[in-house]
Amino acid sequence: GESVGLHLPTLSVQEGDNSIINCAYSNSASDYFIWYKQESGKGPQFIIDIRSNMDKRQGQRVTVLLNKTVKHLSLQIAATQPGDSAVYFCAENMDRASGSARQLTFGSGTQLTVLP
Amino acid sequence: EPEVTQTPSHQVTQMGQEVILRCVPISNHLYFYWYRQILGQKVEFLVSFYNNEISEKSEIFDDQFSVERPDGSNFTLKIRSTKLEDSAMYFCASSGGSSLGAQHFGDGTRLSIL
Repeated sequence: GESVGLHLPTLSVQEGDNSIINCAYSNSASDYFIWYKQESGKGPQFIIDIRSNMDKRQGQRVTVLLNKTVKHLSLQIAATQPGDSAVYFCAENMDRASGSARQLTFGSGTQLTVLP
Repeated sequence: EPEVTQTPSHQVTQMGQEVILRCVPISNHLYFYWYRQILGQKVEFLVSFYNNEISEKSEIFDDQFSVERPDGSNFTLKIRSTKLEDSAMYFCASSGGSSLGAQHFGDGTRLSIL
């Protein structure tokens, strides 16, 4: 079946460096994407989202890039800090019916470790 | 900042017993969800709820599962007769006034079935 997946299960970066976390999705009908951060013992925390009519969106220290041609999503974290260490999930969302609540399909997650 | 709250944080139950997991979504949100995460695996969708009825449910959400919004603030997930494989983290989420809105998650209930 169609699913969202991540290229790398782990990523280690030096504090202060930029991080790039990648995600491949296979459902071409997906029109909304979200990046979540999950710390140990916590629920997924919303970071940033992007709709399919955009290819880039910036937040505070984070940027999401969407390439619909190759169905690829990435999360860039600038000046990575120790507090950024967590598992990062991308999630896709497809409009199934007008006004209905949508389900998210999550990827497998990437463990980001920030080294001192 | 408003948040989704879930209780209890940890529930231990004998196999075959009923459990009710409780959630208080963000107050002005209209869309509600339950997800689960088996240890070390990805987050999986269970059910979505809007306008006092189920919008979508996954294959996991079989007849043993039910959801309810008994009042204006709570959203519950009931498992009627728990099985060992129901052991997981269960997350509640809510989103705002549009179906295309970011879902905000609670910190989950860890359900352990013995």
